[in-house]
Amino acid sequence: EIVLTQSPGTLSLSPGERATLSCRASQSVSNNYLAWYQQKPGQAPRLLIYDASSRATGIPDRFSGSGSGTDFTLTISRLGPEDFAMYYCQQYGSSPQTFGQGTKVEIK
Amino acid sequence: QLQMQESGPGLVKPSETLSLTCTVSGGSINSSNYYWGWIRQPPGKGLEWIGSIYYSGITYYNPSLQSRVTISVDTSKSQFSLKLSSVTAADTAVYFCARAVRVIVPAPLFWFDPWGQGTLVTVSS
Repeated sequence: EIVLTQSPGTLSLSPGERATLSCRASQSVSNNYLAWYQQKPGQAPRLLIYDASSRATGIPDRFSGSGSGTDFTLTISRLGPEDFAMYYCQQYGSSPQTFGQGTKVEIK
Repeated sequence: QLQMQESGPGLVKPSETLSLTCTVSGGSINSSNYYWGWIRQPPGKGLEWIGSIYYSGITYYNPSLQSRVTISVDTSKSQFSLKLSSVTAADTAVYFCARAVRVIVPAPLFWFDPWGQGTLVTVSS
């Protein structure tokens, strides 16, 4: 199965700064079938991005996804106070779909 | 707006069967466009797909859990259910249900949106 490695483990930033999160796959993700989710403590994950770069319904345009093959990036252009959370990537290009271990974006 | 709610016992004894139900509201579980899935998250760890089901009863399971997992659907109640047998402490986790969007037929590949709030199941005697 494809192993997804997210980095960094923790990202310490201030509100208004740009966040760049990485998700690296152990092998190429077919059709760039990669999603990003946001999870806050005690809450369900929320879909942000699917198909590597398509924003889900209702997601602000400060969230963007990019990448292909084995290297993918989630960028938050300007961090709002509500954006401090855990972020997970998920590949669904190869069975079984798998998730990364997550990146925590915390307030510096 | 589609909402999903997990329910079931929060404590299960080792070697017994974990049983959870997800109730779907604000939308039809009979939709031909979607599957329905279970995902779990052990405390402090990442997410793991357990399995997915179509309203007709077609199921797909994670090979790592396949021998112990059964997912079923009751369209009359807008519910789908998870059973995980022979549980151990390693099965302690928050269990989420979610609507699953399938890509690439025939491979069972999905992304998930929305998710239920999740329910913590602890395996302990």
